[in-house]
Amino acid sequence: AQTIHQWPVAEIKAVGSPLSLGCTIKGKSSPNLYWYWQATGGTLQQLFYSITVGQVESVVQLNLSASRPKDDQFILSTEKLLLSHSGFYLCAWRDTSAETLYFGSGTRLTVL
Amino acid sequence: GEQVEQRPPHLSVREGDSAVITCTYTDPNSYYFFWYKQEPGASLQLLMKVFSSTEINEGQGFTVLLNKKDKRLSLNLTAAHPGDSAAYFCAVKFGGSNAKLTFGKGTKLSVKS
Repeated sequence: AQTIHQWPVAEIKAVGSPLSLGCTIKGKSSPNLYWYWQATGGTLQQLFYSITVGQVESVVQLNLSASRPKDDQFILSTEKLLLSHSGFYLCAWRDTSAETLYFGSGTRLTVL
Repeated sequence: GEQVEQRPPHLSVREGDSAVITCTYTDPNSYYFFWYKQEPGASLQLLMKVFSSTEINEGQGFTVLLNKKDKRLSLNLTAAHPGDSAAYFCAVKFGGSNAKLTFGKGTKLSVKS
């Protein structure tokens, strides 16, 4: 069975500081991976997706970047955090045969 | 562009009552529809996926209806209980295999005992 792990679980960071969030999926080769952002009490907004190593497509950047350094790893980062970056970041993988998105447990980010 | 409108944004019912959440979408070529449940502080859990060929889908304690003519997707929780209190999101996939999933704005359901 596939498992998706996100780290860290939560972060409190200062405005202007760098950020790196990670996502690893096990049990699935060449997964399609996604980053979503959810403002507190809000809906989900797709940020990036990647269908293969080294290839990332941006949907909405929000002054963030993403990388796919390994087949099973997806990284979200920025060099300078903004207050507006606060929220819940969710990594997901797509089961292409079932056309279904499965989410990781998320990282709650608070920018002060 | 693709639009998904979800209503109501907040819903409060008593234990044992039914609760209905509805999403309307604009693209008649939508293929896949999903309902996700998000408990407070947690991630999204898939409740049900619906393909465009199926109009009625039964789950454990809920029914999902797809009305393609009216472009409406609904989630009907029968006999709600406090454990159903959560945010519910519909999601619609427009277009081909790499098409984006568009989420509704969510419904916060509160079930009071």
